[in-house]
Amino acid sequence: SQKIEQNSEALNIQEGKTATLTCNYTNYSPAYLQWYRQDPGRGPVFLLLIRENEKEKRKERLKVTFDTTLKQSLFHITASQPADSATYLCALDLNQAGTALIFGKGTTLSVSS
Amino acid sequence: KAGVTQTPRYLIKTRGQQVTLSCSPISGHRSVSWYQQTPGQGLQFLFEYFSETQRNKGNFPGRFSGRQFSNSRSEMNVSTLELGDSALYLCASTWASGGVETQYFGPGTRLLVL
Repeated sequence: SQKIEQNSEALNIQEGKTATLTCNYTNYSPAYLQWYRQDPGRGPVFLLLIRENEKEKRKERLKVTFDTTLKQSLFHITASQPADSATYLCALDLNQAGTALIFGKGTTLSVSS
Repeated sequence: KAGVTQTPRYLIKTRGQQVTLSCSPISGHRSVSWYQQTPGQGLQFLFEYFSETQRNKGNFPGRFSGRQFSNSRSEMNVSTLELGDSALYLCASTWASGGVETQYFGPGTRLLVL
């Protein structure tokens, strides 16, 4: 069955540094991969989506890469701020339509000032 | 537009009881997906409804069921509650843009089974 793993449960970095989060998957060839942010007590919020034919996607201070050969996505937050502290989840779609997602367990990022 | 709303936000039940959770999607969104989130298993897909029909289903026992109404509002039901059903239940409605459907999550219903 499909499996998705986020290597680190927690990541602590200093303000201003770049945070890099990793997502690996097996037994699947997704059409696209998504990244979400979740704050305590709240539902996940969609951040970025990258398609299988895209190598890189950017949105403001966020950058996502997608390597279908390695079956890996990297999520970068540049010039990190304490407000970026949250849990970040990567997700693959089970039905190629984005309505049935399989999520990694998330990486909790803490940015200290 | 108002976001996805879920009621109730918190619920305490005892083993063996049943529970019904409600989700109102964003206006115009026709697909509603349900997820269970626990510290051990993370976010797991339960099922998805579109136009009042279950379109996709995850690997959960038959005690977990759902339905969708003509106004796209959805309910999920868990019968014969077990301690392990304690979790945050999230619903998400879906909007298609550029050929891709993006999910918008509600705040969740936190269920505690005693």
